[in-house]
Amino acid sequence: QLQLQESGPGVVKPSESLSLTCSVSGGPIRTSSYYWGWIRQAPGKGLEWIGNIYYDGSAYYNPSLKSRVTISIDTSRSQFSLRLISMTAADAAIYYCARRYGAYVGEEYYMDVWGKGITITVSS
Amino acid sequence: EIVLTQSPGTLSLSPGERATLSCRASQYVSNNYLAWYQQRPGQAPRVLIYGVSSRATGIPDRFSGSGSGADFTLTINGLAPEDSAVYYCQQYASSVFTFGPGTKVVIK
Repeated sequence: QLQLQESGPGVVKPSESLSLTCSVSGGPIRTSSYYWGWIRQAPGKGLEWIGNIYYDGSAYYNPSLKSRVTISIDTSRSQFSLRLISMTAADAAIYYCARRYGAYVGEEYYMDVWGKGITITVSS
Repeated sequence: EIVLTQSPGTLSLSPGERATLSCRASQYVSNNYLAWYQQRPGQAPRVLIYGVSSRATGIPDRFSGSGSGADFTLTINGLAPEDSAVYYCQQYASSVFTFGPGTKVVIK
C-alpha cells in the first residue's frame, strides 16, 4: 500500500526558506501514471494547491505562489521536495504531500493518496 | 482561474438523513476534473468522488456525486456519525487546481 510521509522543520523564521521532503514507500515514484505534489491548509482554513511534479522533473505551480516555490524530485531516493522562500506568517499551515492520479488528457485528475501532513509555524 | 463556491457553509442533520452539498464553478469544468474530498477533524483529506460521479476505492455507496458544466452535487444518503466532516470540491483547469471553501457537515 502506497504511503507518503512529510518531513521537515516545525518552525521557520520569517523571511527564511522552508524545505520539506515527502518520502514515498510501498510503490514506485518513477511512474508515468501519476504526478506528485503539495497542498497546504492554513489554520482553520481550506485547502490550497501548491504544485505538482512529474517523475521526469517537469513541474507546475499555483500562480499565486509561483515566484517563491520550487518542487523537485529524486527518484533514486523515492522522495520529492518543496522549497518555499521568503516565508511570512501567512505561510503557516499544515503542508500535505499527495499523489495525483491522472497524467494524460482524458484521465480524471485528483489526489488519491495523501500524507498525514506536517505543521509549519513561522516565528522568530 | 476558476473559483469554486460551496453551499451551504454548514449543514446540521440527524443520523439517517440525506445531505445535499453544492459546488458551483465560475466557469465550465470538465467532468474528468471534478472531485470531492472528506476531511475529518485532525485528519488529512481523502478522496470520495472523482470524475463527478465515480466513487473512490472503499467509499460507501451512500456517497454519490452528480452534475455537469458548472454545477455539481455531493449527496450523502443515510448519514452516519462518522460522516461528520468538512467536504471540499476540487477542479482542474489550465494546469491549476483549485478547491472550494468547504461545507461542514455536523451530525446532531
